[in-house]
Formats: sequence, C-alpha cells, structure tokens
Amino acid sequence: DIQMTQSPSSLSASVGDRVTITCRASQGISNYLAWYQQKPGKVPKLLIYSASTLQSGVPSRFSGSGSGTDFTLTISSLQPEDVSTYYCQKYNSAPYTFGQGTKLEIK
Amino acid sequence: QVQLMESGGGVVQPGRSLRLSCAASGFTFSSYAMHWVRQAPGKGLEWVAVISYDGSDKYYADSVKGRITVSRDNSKSTLHLQMNSLRAGDTAVYYCARDSGYEYIWGIYMDYWGQGTLVTVSS
Repeated sequence: DIQMTQSPSSLSASVGDRVTITCRASQGISNYLAWYQQKPGKVPKLLIYSASTLQSGVPSRFSGSGSGTDFTLTISSLQPEDVSTYYCQKYNSAPYTFGQGTKLEIK
Repeated sequence: QVQLMESGGGVVQPGRSLRLSCAASGFTFSSYAMHWVRQAPGKGLEWVAVISYDGSDKYYADSVKGRITVSRDNSKSTLHLQMNSLRAGDTAVYYCARDSGYEYIWGIYMDYWGQGTLVTVSS
C-alpha cells in the first residue's frame, strides 16, 4: 500500500508568515490528493482537492500544488484562525490513506 | 443542507461487538458512496472503510479487515459499521463522511463529515 508522509509533524509560525506543509506519497498518485483542516475539538474540513483546487468557501490564502509523489499546502499569510492540524489524503485507489498530520501553532 | 449524524458509540469490553449507524439527510443518499474514518484520542485520522452508492463494492483498511463490515440501507438513508472482536486499539471517534463522487464515479475525497461517535474498548 502507498504510504503518505507529511513534514513537518509540527510547526510554529507568526501571524502573517508564509507557511508550507509537505506531503509525500511512497508511489505516484497523479493529482489524487486532498488536504483537510481539523481545528482543535472540531470535525475535519475539506480544504483542497485534486492537489490544487480550493474547496468552495475556503480562503484564498490557502493553496495547494504538486503531482506524482510530492505535494505542498501553502498558507500565504498565516492568520490566528488557521491554528489547526492539517492532513493530506490520497484517493487514487483504496486504501484512502491519510498522512500523519501537521500541527500548526502560532508563535 | 447535508447532515450526517453518527450514533451507537459507547464503552464495550474487548472481544465484544458494536454497531455504529450514520443517519444522512439533505442529499440523495443512494447516489453517494460513504466512508468511515476514525481518530484515536490525540492521534491522527485513519481511513477505515468505504461502501459504494449501491452497496455493491466495499473496501477496508488492513487494520480492520475481517473484523469490521460496512453496510447501508438506502431506503432509510442510513450507513452502518458492524465491529466485531473489538480491541483496545479500536478506541476512537468514528466519523462517517460523504464521498464527493456521484453514483458510478466514487472513491474520491470526503466533502461532508459527521460529528463522530466515540467508541471506547475497555474492560
């Protein structure tokens, strides 16, 4: 099965910073990658699908890129409400594996 | 609006069984595949199972294969997860989530999630 590895596992940044989270697949998955945001104590929320398509209603400071095995989630200007854990997920085929998550905090 | 509401969680002894349900509303349930995803306390998300819109296809994570069965009743817009031979490692919040695909195009990302139901396996 394909493994999904995120880096870093945790990250601390200042408001206004540009933040980048990386997700690597152990085999190529084309662009079948989604990103989810889970705020503390809340349900996961879809942010991005097809590696780079923003889900409706998601702020434009979020963006995604990549294809094949290497993907990134970028927040162009970090806001306090972005404190969350972010997960990537592959969906080229079952199993629909998630990355281990990246916990983002404000410095 | 799309709503998913899980139920059936609770405390269960190791080796026993539990059946979770997910009641769906606000969309044509019979046209969408559905997933179960779980999250152990303080841990990350783990995909558990998916069932196609008509129930004809099912896939499972290796960690639950043979012990967990996903099913659906489209007449009642309800998704189920039958969990047998439960272990401590099955302790988690279990979420049902809608697949974003439609009918024949499924097995994609999850666009709506329920609030989850907590399953605790403990003696």
